[in-house]
Amino acid sequence: SQTIHQWPATLVQPVGSPLSLECTVEGTSNPNLYWYRQAAGRGLQLLFYSVGIGQISSEVPQNLSASRPQDRQFILSSKKLLLSDSGFYLCAWSFGQETQYFGPGTRLLVL
Amino acid sequence: SQKIEQNSEALNIQEGKTATLTCNYTNYSPAYLQWYRQDPGRGPVFLLLIRENEKEKRKERLKVTFDTTLKQSLFHITASQPADSATYLCAPGSYNFNKFYFGSGTKLNVKP
Repeated sequence: SQTIHQWPATLVQPVGSPLSLECTVEGTSNPNLYWYRQAAGRGLQLLFYSVGIGQISSEVPQNLSASRPQDRQFILSSKKLLLSDSGFYLCAWSFGQETQYFGPGTRLLVL
Repeated sequence: SQKIEQNSEALNIQEGKTATLTCNYTNYSPAYLQWYRQDPGRGPVFLLLIRENEKEKRKERLKVTFDTTLKQSLFHITASQPADSATYLCAPGSYNFNKFYFGSGTKLNVKP
């Protein structure tokens, strides 16, 4: 069966510091991968998605970037965090264009 | 641009009653629509998918309808239980894209 991992679970970072969140999927090959952000009490905002190694599509302009160095690894990064980057970050995978399966999420607090 | 609307107000119902949640969309012709459940501090979990040629779909106590004319989907939970309390998200999708967008969700509170 497929499993999706995200780490860390919680992160507190100062403004201006770098960020690296990692997501890995087990049990499937060539999945579509997604990064979402959810502000407190709000809906899911699609940040990036990838249909293959090195292929990244960005949804919104921001100071975040994503990379997919391996088939089942998706990384979300920032060189300098802003206060507005605080939120709940979710990684998801899908096989094809339908159902997405979400990871446990990373709660990021930028102070 | 496409817009997905779910009632932002929480829906409070009594245990045993039927909960009905609404998802409306505009500027969009999805080929299918999905419903997810999200508990606090957790990622969404897939519940049901209904395609544009299906009027209704059922899974245990869950029922989803999809009206492409009204551009609306209804999500029903019959014989609701306190364990059904969560936020429910809808997500219309198209096979033309490798992504889809979620509504902001409706919080359901089932009181014992």
